[in-house]
Amino acid sequence: RKEVEQDPGPFNVPEGATVAFNCTYSNSASQSFFWYRQDCRKEPKLLMSVYSSGNEDGRFTAQLNRASQYISLLIRDSKLSDSATYLCVVNKRANDYKLSFGAGTTVTVRA
Amino acid sequence: DAGVTQSPTHLIKTRGQQVTLRCSPKSGHDTVSWYQQALGQGPQFIFQYYEEEERQRGNFPDRFSGHQFPNYSSELNVNALLLGDSALYLCASSRTDADGYTFGSGTRLTVV
Repeated sequence: RKEVEQDPGPFNVPEGATVAFNCTYSNSASQSFFWYRQDCRKEPKLLMSVYSSGNEDGRFTAQLNRASQYISLLIRDSKLSDSATYLCVVNKRANDYKLSFGAGTTVTVRA
Repeated sequence: DAGVTQSPTHLIKTRGQQVTLRCSPKSGHDTVSWYQQALGQGPQFIFQYYEEEERQRGNFPDRFSGHQFPNYSSELNVNALLLGDSALYLCASSRTDADGYTFGSGTRLTVV
């Protein structure tokens, strides 16, 4: 079983729409959770960390459900510039330094 | 403030050859991790270097080796290249006492 699993999409949405997607992680010892954004053929860039109580950053809202071991990302009022692949990332900490990435969810926002 | 610098940006090698990729971490960062990203996949952890030692290793064969220098820069070496080694190789730097990783723009390796 993969450590982090994501719906690959693609999610094709019109500008202004709301889009949401999840990822699940297998290791209950995981401590840190992130969403990264990756544009085509570029490096991943941190979009936001995900906290237990849920958090917002502008149009982006992230939620964590430890009991069910899933993380969600919601994008409101989608912009053309939101078109990208969103990577769910998990880290166990506790002397485990690797980031475990999902394969990514592709979002395309159309005019 | 320079971010993470990787070189070269693109590379084409023949099966069986050896390759060395280089990474200069972000200023103030002392830890370097290497990831392999195959097409359509998420990055996979290769290893992490701290204080010039390999601190943790992922599920990669011994053909993958690395080094960290006193100035914190790092190299990734891959021997006996296989077609399946074709991927984007990403370097990520961090401070060992803080969260947060900064990725370089990667080296795209093609093995023919």
